[in-house]
Amino acid sequence: EVVLTQSPDTLSLSPGETATLSCRASQSVSNNYLAWYQQKPGQAPRLLIYAASSRATGIPERFSGSGSGTDFTLTISRLEPEDFAVYYCQQYDSSFHTFGQGTKLEIK
Amino acid sequence: EVQLVESGGGLVQPGGSLRLSCAASGFTFTNYWMHWVRQTPEKGLVWVSRINGDGSATNYADSVKGRFTISRDNAKNTVYLQMNSLRVEDTAVYYCARDQYYYYMGVWGKGTTVTVSS
Repeated sequence: EVVLTQSPDTLSLSPGETATLSCRASQSVSNNYLAWYQQKPGQAPRLLIYAASSRATGIPERFSGSGSGTDFTLTISRLEPEDFAVYYCQQYDSSFHTFGQGTKLEIK
Repeated sequence: EVQLVESGGGLVQPGGSLRLSCAASGFTFTNYWMHWVRQTPEKGLVWVSRINGDGSATNYADSVKGRFTISRDNAKNTVYLQMNSLRVEDTAVYYCARDQYYYYMGVWGKGTTVTVSS
Protein backbone atom coordinates (compact mmCIF):
# COMPACT_ATOMS: atom_id res chain seq x y z
CA GLU A 1 0.00 0.00 0.00
CA VAL A 2 1.25 3.45 -0.93
CA VAL A 3 1.32 5.72 2.13
CA LEU A 4 1.00 9.46 1.58
CA THR A 5 2.47 11.86 4.13
CA GLN A 6 1.50 15.50 3.95
CA SER A 7 3.41 18.42 5.43
CA PRO A 8 3.04 20.60 7.28
CA ASP A 9 0.09 19.49 9.40
CA THR A 10 -0.94 23.13 9.78
CA LEU A 11 0.05 26.17 7.75
CA SER A 12 -0.72 29.68 9.00
CA LEU A 13 -0.71 32.40 6.35
CA SER A 14 -2.40 35.69 5.56
CA PRO A 15 -4.65 36.48 2.58
CA GLY A 16 -2.57 37.48 -0.42
CA GLU A 17 0.33 35.20 0.49
CA THR A 18 1.33 32.00 -1.31
CA ALA A 19 0.76 28.57 0.24
CA THR A 20 2.98 25.59 -0.55
CA LEU A 21 1.68 22.19 0.58
CA SER A 22 3.67 18.98 0.25
CA CYS A 23 2.63 15.35 -0.29
CA ARG A 24 5.27 12.62 -0.16
CA ALA A 25 4.59 9.02 -1.17
CA SER A 26 6.20 5.92 0.34
CA GLN A 27 6.86 4.66 -3.18
CA SER A 28 6.57 6.09 -6.66
CA VAL A 29 3.00 7.01 -7.61
CA SER A 30 1.98 5.12 -10.74
CA ASN A 31 1.80 7.41 -13.79
CA ASN A 32 1.49 10.38 -11.41
CA TYR A 33 -2.09 9.39 -10.55
CA LEU A 34 -2.21 11.96 -7.79
CA ALA A 35 -4.98 14.39 -6.88
CA TRP A 36 -5.57 17.23 -4.44
CA TYR A 37 -8.88 17.95 -2.68
CA GLN A 38 -10.12 20.87 -0.62
CA GLN A 39 -12.50 20.36 2.29
CA LYS A 40 -14.24 23.08 4.26
CA PRO A 41 -15.95 22.47 7.63
CA GLY A 42 -19.23 20.61 7.28
CA GLN A 43 -18.70 20.01 3.56
CA ALA A 44 -17.59 17.13 1.39
CA PRO A 45 -14.18 17.23 -0.30
CA ARG A 46 -13.86 18.96 -3.67
CA LEU A 47 -11.49 17.84 -6.42
CA LEU A 48 -8.98 20.57 -7.25
CA ILE A 49 -6.08 18.96 -9.11
CA TYR A 50 -5.77 15.59 -10.87
CA ALA A 51 -2.91 13.84 -12.63
CA ALA A 52 -0.57 15.84 -10.38
CA SER A 53 -0.91 19.10 -12.30
CA SER A 54 -4.24 19.37 -14.15
CA ARG A 55 -6.89 21.65 -12.71
CA ALA A 56 -10.40 20.24 -12.41
CA THR A 57 -13.28 22.07 -14.03
CA GLY A 58 -14.01 25.44 -12.48
CA ILE A 59 -10.91 25.58 -10.30
CA PRO A 60 -9.21 29.01 -10.27
CA GLU A 61 -5.79 29.40 -11.86
CA ARG A 62 -4.24 30.35 -8.51
CA PHE A 63 -4.34 26.64 -7.66
CA SER A 64 -1.50 24.69 -9.25
CA GLY A 65 -0.01 21.25 -8.77
CA SER A 66 3.43 19.92 -9.55
CA GLY A 67 5.72 17.01 -8.88
CA SER A 68 6.29 13.44 -9.94
CA GLY A 69 7.43 10.11 -8.56
CA THR A 70 7.23 10.44 -4.78
CA ASP A 71 7.14 14.21 -4.21
CA PHE A 72 4.17 16.42 -5.07
CA THR A 73 3.26 20.01 -4.29
CA LEU A 74 0.06 22.04 -4.25
CA THR A 75 0.66 25.77 -4.59
CA ILE A 76 -2.03 28.34 -3.91
CA SER A 77 -1.06 31.83 -5.05
CA ARG A 78 -2.59 35.06 -3.75
CA LEU A 79 -4.62 33.39 -1.00
CA GLU A 80 -8.28 34.37 -0.85
CA PRO A 81 -10.33 34.14 2.38
CA GLU A 82 -12.30 31.19 0.95
CA ASP A 83 -9.08 29.18 0.42
CA PHE A 84 -8.58 28.54 4.13
CA ALA A 85 -9.56 24.90 4.53
CA VAL A 86 -8.08 21.41 4.83
CA TYR A 87 -6.30 19.95 1.81
CA TYR A 88 -5.80 16.26 1.08
CA CYS A 89 -3.72 14.47 -1.51
CA GLN A 90 -4.89 11.14 -2.94
CA GLN A 91 -3.22 8.52 -5.13
CA TYR A 92 -4.36 5.52 -7.16
CA ASP A 93 -2.33 2.32 -7.49
CA SER A 94 -3.36 -1.21 -8.50
CA SER A 95 -7.09 -0.72 -7.91
CA PHE A 96 -6.61 0.95 -4.52
CA HIS A 97 -6.85 4.54 -3.46
CA THR A 98 -5.16 6.17 -0.48
CA PHE A 99 -5.33 9.66 1.02
CA GLY A 100 -2.83 11.71 2.92
CA GLN A 101 -3.67 12.81 6.46
CA GLY A 102 -4.39 16.40 5.39
CA THR A 103 -2.90 19.87 5.81
CA LYS A 104 -4.95 22.55 7.52
CA LEU A 105 -4.48 25.98 5.99
CA GLU A 106 -5.49 28.57 8.55
CA ILE A 107 -5.62 32.34 8.64
CA LYS A 108 -2.69 33.91 10.46
CA GLU B 1 -27.62 19.02 -11.62
CA VAL B 2 -25.24 16.22 -10.71
CA GLN B 3 -26.13 14.99 -7.24
CA LEU B 4 -25.41 12.16 -4.82
CA VAL B 5 -27.54 11.65 -1.73
CA GLU B 6 -26.53 9.14 0.94
CA SER B 7 -28.88 7.55 3.45
CA GLY B 8 -29.02 4.66 5.89
CA GLY B 9 -26.60 5.79 8.56
CA GLY B 10 -27.35 5.45 12.25
CA LEU B 11 -26.40 3.89 15.55
CA VAL B 12 -25.63 0.18 15.62
CA GLN B 13 -24.08 -2.16 18.18
CA PRO B 14 -20.73 -3.84 17.60
CA GLY B 15 -21.22 -6.96 15.52
CA GLY B 16 -24.33 -5.54 13.90
CA SER B 17 -25.16 -4.70 10.30
CA LEU B 18 -26.19 -1.63 8.35
CA ARG B 19 -26.84 -0.89 4.68
CA LEU B 20 -26.00 2.49 3.23
CA SER B 21 -27.58 3.78 0.03
CA CYS B 22 -26.48 6.47 -2.38
CA ALA B 23 -28.98 7.82 -4.89
CA ALA B 24 -27.45 9.42 -7.97
CA SER B 25 -28.98 11.88 -10.41
CA GLY B 26 -27.98 14.26 -13.17
CA PHE B 27 -25.57 11.99 -15.05
CA THR B 28 -25.46 8.66 -16.88
CA PHE B 29 -25.01 6.39 -13.89
CA THR B 30 -23.75 3.34 -15.75
CA ASN B 31 -20.81 5.25 -17.19
CA TYR B 32 -19.08 5.68 -13.87
CA TRP B 33 -17.28 3.80 -11.17
CA MET B 34 -18.72 4.67 -7.76
CA HIS B 35 -16.87 4.82 -4.45
CA TRP B 36 -17.46 4.84 -0.73
CA VAL B 37 -15.04 6.90 1.37
CA ARG B 38 -15.22 7.36 5.13
CA GLN B 39 -13.88 10.08 7.38
CA THR B 40 -13.05 10.41 11.05
CA PRO B 41 -11.27 13.25 12.86
CA GLU B 42 -8.49 10.84 13.84
CA LYS B 43 -7.78 9.17 10.48
CA GLY B 44 -9.09 11.73 8.01
CA LEU B 45 -10.33 10.42 4.66
CA VAL B 46 -10.09 6.68 4.06
CA TRP B 47 -11.14 5.02 0.82
CA VAL B 48 -13.41 2.04 1.49
CA SER B 49 -14.59 0.47 -1.75
CA ARG B 50 -15.47 1.01 -5.41
CA ILE B 51 -17.60 -0.65 -8.06
CA ASN B 52 -17.57 -0.35 -11.84
CA GLY B 53 -20.42 0.75 -14.06
CA ASP B 54 -22.09 -2.61 -14.65
CA GLY B 55 -21.31 -3.97 -11.20
CA SER B 56 -18.98 -6.71 -12.43
CA ALA B 57 -15.84 -5.42 -10.68
CA THR B 58 -15.32 -4.35 -7.09
CA ASN B 59 -12.39 -3.46 -4.85
CA TYR B 60 -12.11 -3.07 -1.09
CA ALA B 61 -9.71 -1.62 1.44
CA ASP B 62 -8.08 -4.33 3.54
CA SER B 63 -9.76 -2.98 6.68
CA VAL B 64 -13.24 -3.85 5.39
CA LYS B 65 -12.61 -6.80 3.06
CA GLY B 66 -14.82 -9.73 3.94
CA ARG B 67 -17.16 -7.60 6.05
CA PHE B 68 -18.44 -4.94 3.62
CA THR B 69 -20.06 -5.49 0.24
CA ILE B 70 -20.57 -2.81 -2.40
CA SER B 71 -23.29 -3.24 -5.03
CA ARG B 72 -25.38 -1.15 -7.37
CA ASP B 73 -28.85 -1.15 -8.94
CA ASN B 74 -28.53 0.65 -12.25
CA ALA B 75 -32.30 0.66 -12.75
CA LYS B 76 -32.58 2.76 -9.60
CA ASN B 77 -29.35 4.77 -10.07
CA THR B 78 -28.31 3.68 -6.60
CA VAL B 79 -25.15 2.27 -5.08
CA TYR B 80 -25.15 0.40 -1.77
CA LEU B 81 -22.71 -0.51 0.96
CA GLN B 82 -23.71 -3.51 3.05
CA MET B 83 -21.73 -3.41 6.28
CA ASN B 84 -21.63 -6.53 8.45
CA SER B 85 -19.69 -7.44 11.60
CA LEU B 86 -19.38 -3.77 12.41
CA ARG B 87 -16.66 -2.62 14.78
CA VAL B 88 -16.27 0.49 16.90
CA GLU B 89 -13.52 1.62 14.52
CA ASP B 90 -16.01 1.67 11.61
CA THR B 91 -17.61 4.73 13.21
CA ALA B 92 -17.30 7.52 10.64
CA VAL B 93 -19.03 9.78 8.18
CA TYR B 94 -19.48 7.74 5.00
CA TYR B 95 -19.36 9.56 1.69
CA CYS B 96 -20.49 8.30 -1.67
CA ALA B 97 -18.38 9.62 -4.54
CA ARG B 98 -18.44 9.40 -8.32
CA ASP B 99 -15.38 8.56 -10.31
CA GLN B 100 -13.70 11.36 -12.29
CA TYR B 101 -11.15 10.60 -14.98
CA TYR B 102 -11.12 7.01 -13.65
CA TYR B 103 -8.52 7.50 -10.95
CA TYR B 104 -10.10 10.26 -8.86
CA MET B 105 -13.35 11.26 -7.16
CA GLY B 106 -15.01 14.23 -8.78
CA VAL B 107 -18.50 14.35 -7.26
CA TRP B 108 -19.30 13.74 -3.61
CA GLY B 109 -22.44 13.42 -1.55
CA LYS B 110 -22.93 15.18 1.77
CA GLY B 111 -22.28 12.02 3.76
CA THR B 112 -24.15 9.87 6.26
CA THR B 113 -22.99 9.17 9.81
CA VAL B 114 -22.45 5.66 11.12
CA THR B 115 -21.89 5.16 14.84
CA VAL B 116 -20.93 1.75 16.17
CA SER B 117 -21.31 1.68 19.92
CA SER B 118 -22.80 -0.41 22.70
